[in-house]
Amino acid sequence: QQQVKQSPQSLIVQKGGISIINCAYENTAFDYFPWYQQFPGKGPALLIAIRPDVSEKKEGRFTISFNKSAKQFSLHIMDSQPGDSATYFCAASNAGFQKLVFGTGTRLLVSP
Amino acid sequence: GAVVSQHPSRVICKSGTSVKIECRSLDFQATTMFWYRQFPKQSLMLMATSNEGSKATYEQGVEKDKFLINHASLTLSTLTVTSAHPEDSSFYICSATTVSYEQYFGPGTRLTVT
Repeated sequence: QQQVKQSPQSLIVQKGGISIINCAYENTAFDYFPWYQQFPGKGPALLIAIRPDVSEKKEGRFTISFNKSAKQFSLHIMDSQPGDSATYFCAASNAGFQKLVFGTGTRLLVSP
Repeated sequence: GAVVSQHPSRVICKSGTSVKIECRSLDFQATTMFWYRQFPKQSLMLMATSNEGSKATYEQGVEKDKFLINHASLTLSTLTVTSAHPEDSSFYICSATTVSYEQYFGPGTRLTVT
């Protein structure tokens, strides 16, 4: 019940295209859903996060869509660029406990 | 966003020695810090939760006597890998939470035990 399932495992998108990564969770107590971007040899960087009181959040080219009834959330990267090539992790937590449960990661490659 | 630093970024040590890794929140106070371990091409594995002024809470399967955690102030937590062995070689990453529960990660420390 603590798992967060992430798909796909890897993704290749052409420059300018839309990258979509999906996550699903079981624990209905989760109330914070961040996405992290990680480059090789670096720590994860907080990209964007959402709480269940909204269904969508947009920051620049990055959008989180959240479906509370389906217990799913996704990251959309618009106008994908080669510099977006990285590993993306979704995560979930309960604010009271703060511990993040991570997805397994998606390796995104944006081809020039 | 908030900034978390780690030191050192890379360390090589001989088997049997101990290594200390520092994690600092540079522009905010963090009552809670976390320590993770990450193997190549894998997700982050939480090792322990560190609260300022109290003992760390370790995840199941993590040896607390081997991975000593100290959280002496609101901006500093340390992880000491005691009697390190080659199987402890890994990428260690810390994180710190803000008052709004956002979790920011450090740049990581690559530990190699020879």
